[in-house]
Amino acid sequence: GAVVSQHPSRVICKSGTSVKIECRSLDFQATTMFWYRQFPKQSLMLMATSNEGSKATYEQGVEKDKFLINHASLTLSTLTVTSAHPEDSSFYICSARGEREYYEQYFGPGTRLTVT
Amino acid sequence: KQEVTQIPAALSVPEGENLVLNCSFTDSAIYNLQWFRQDPGKGLTSLLLIQSSQREQTSGRLNASLDKSSGRSTLYIAASQPGDSATYLCAVEEDSSYKLIFGSGTRLLVRP
Repeated sequence: GAVVSQHPSRVICKSGTSVKIECRSLDFQATTMFWYRQFPKQSLMLMATSNEGSKATYEQGVEKDKFLINHASLTLSTLTVTSAHPEDSSFYICSARGEREYYEQYFGPGTRLTVT
Repeated sequence: KQEVTQIPAALSVPEGENLVLNCSFTDSAIYNLQWFRQDPGKGLTSLLLIQSSQREQTSGRLNASLDKSSGRSTLYIAASQPGDSATYLCAVEEDSSYKLIFGSGTRLLVRP
C-alpha cells in the first residue's frame, strides 16, 4: 500500500524559533499534499492544500506567513512553523493524494510539536 | 459549508458485540466518504473508502454504507475485539476540491 512518512515524529522547540516538518510519499507520486492540525481530543482541521510546483492554498484563518508550505517535488512537502509560540503546540498530520484508483488520501504518522 | 457529525462521541461495549457508528453530512455533493481509525498519538489508518456512486464497501469485519441523498454513512463492526479500541473518524471529500472534511470522531472502547 501507499506509504507516507513524516519527520520528525516529535519536536520540542523554544518560543520564537522556527520548525520544519517534512512529509514524504515513499512509493508513489503525490500531486497534491494536505496539511492538517489536530488539537487534543479534537478532529483534524485542514490548514492548507499543497500542489507540486505551485503556491499552497490556505484555509480561512490560517496565517500563510506563519505556516510556510513548500511542495518542491512530487514526493516531498514541507511545513515550516515560523516564530513558534506555545499556542502552535499541536499534532500536525500530512496526507498525500496520488494518481491511484479511487484517489485515496494517505496519511502520515503525524508530528507532535511542543513549543516551550 | 459542509459539516460532518459523528454519533455517538464515545462508545464502550463488551468484546464480541456488533456495533454501528454513525456519520452524517450536510451537503450531499461529495466525491467520496472515508472511514479512518486513529490510535492515541498516532496518524490515521484508512479503513474504507466509498465512492459517491457506491452504496457500501466491506473489508473483513467492517462494512460501511453510504446514503448520499440523506447525507448518512454507517460503519458496522462485527464481533468487536479489544484491538478495535480506537477513535474512528469519518471524512467526506468535497466534490472537485479534494478537501477532506472530518467529523469529530467516535472513541470506541471494547472491553475484554
